[in-house]
Amino acid sequence: DTEVTQTPKHLVMGMTNKKSLKCEQHMGHRAMYWYKQKAKKPPELMFVYSYEKLSINESVPSRFSPECPNSSLLNLHLHALQPEDSALYLCASSLETGFGSEAFFGQGTRLTVV
Amino acid sequence: DQQVKQNSPSLSVQEGRISILNCDYTNSMFDYFLWYKKYPAEGPTFLISISSIKDKNEDGRFTVFLNKSAKHLSLHIVPSQPGDSAVYFCAASGINTDKLIFGTGTRLQVFP
Repeated sequence: DTEVTQTPKHLVMGMTNKKSLKCEQHMGHRAMYWYKQKAKKPPELMFVYSYEKLSINESVPSRFSPECPNSSLLNLHLHALQPEDSALYLCASSLETGFGSEAFFGQGTRLTVV
Repeated sequence: DQQVKQNSPSLSVQEGRISILNCDYTNSMFDYFLWYKKYPAEGPTFLISISSIKDKNEDGRFTVFLNKSAKHLSLHIVPSQPGDSAVYFCAASGINTDKLIFGTGTRLQVFP
């Protein structure tokens, strides 16, 4: 199993809504990532979890709140988002962070904030 | 500050010919490099990687070359096939960093 599964695939939410994006992997990977990708731009790193602990927060606004309940799951809680937050949100995992560890990506959640 | 750059936003190649995608980086702490292929509305798919102790890595039709002194790497696809048409990202990581940093991407189109 080399899959990273993200749900939902598509999400439309209002600016006052609270929603969550979910990511799951069963490869025994100990590093998990959230990336955001806008059209025609490279994926931009948001958060890194290493061994279920948040190791990097790339100055992401607090309306995005990550959570890693266990080594297989990664959530991204969304609250009071803005239309400019509309993007493709990608989850990834790798065996370890840093050297020599390929990251496997999920298919992404296409988020639209209205 | 874009630490990983792909200066060609697009590339068009005839089927059967070689595609060469280039990538430059600025951070000398990077020592592991990866290439990803991405279709619209999908997550990136890992293609091939190379560590800084090597200057070449080959996997089927894909070969990555690394020139550390020039801080430059390239991906060669030969022969190119129409199914290779996608956006290609190079990415870089390193010891003492938890980050995987992506380049700006190159859209490859392979025409018959």
